[in-house]
Amino acid sequence: NAGVMQNPRHLVRRRGQEARLRCSPMKGHSHVYWYRQLPEEGLKFMVYLQKENIIDESGMPKERFSAEFPKEGPSILRIQQVVRGDSAAYFCASSPRQIYNEQFFGPGTRLTVL
Amino acid sequence: QQPVQSPQAVILREGEDAVINCSSSKALYSVHWYRQKHGEAPVFLMILLKGGEQKGHEKISASFNEKKQQSSLYLTASQLSYSGTYFCGTEPFYNQGGKLIFGQGTELSVKP
Repeated sequence: NAGVMQNPRHLVRRRGQEARLRCSPMKGHSHVYWYRQLPEEGLKFMVYLQKENIIDESGMPKERFSAEFPKEGPSILRIQQVVRGDSAAYFCASSPRQIYNEQFFGPGTRLTVL
Repeated sequence: QQPVQSPQAVILREGEDAVINCSSSKALYSVHWYRQKHGEAPVFLMILLKGGEQKGHEKISASFNEKKQQSSLYLTASQLSYSGTYFCGTEPFYNQGGKLIFGQGTELSVKP
């Protein structure tokens, strides 16, 4: 059973460009969570999605950031007009959301903004 | 709202024991423990639910004091592979099944 897949693993963007991060959850998992980790810091929740629905986006910056999880295909985290402060590791986690809300993390996308 | 972990860092010799604590000011439904090695993804270790249920790693144990909203992770007979940063992730009682709120991490180094 393949784990959570994320791509790209590394992404370099210049200020003002767009970044698109993709996440494919584990088979059978319909709940996806995005977290951001700044260097030497902990994980900060960004958004929680189910298929075609945003359940909780309380951790998303109000501007430039958006997320989706379409009926078909991976979940996408989109950052428009990136700034240097967006440089971080972005992790996606998926959960089967049954009794135990175990969240399994993907390898992450390391975004560097020049 | 972020749980507080202690200690911030600990250095052990192989075979020694360690305890990592996680304390929250909010009522919790569950506590999740993860280990992250540098440059890698967090790896799930254990989940403890309100009411005493738990699920996780065979060689690592943990406790959850519901009244105090505290959890402790017990690492016994530590191995070199235990090195990494340990995070607790808390699931608030009012938001079960949703986001995890992570502590700042405890860096564990196991020396030969």
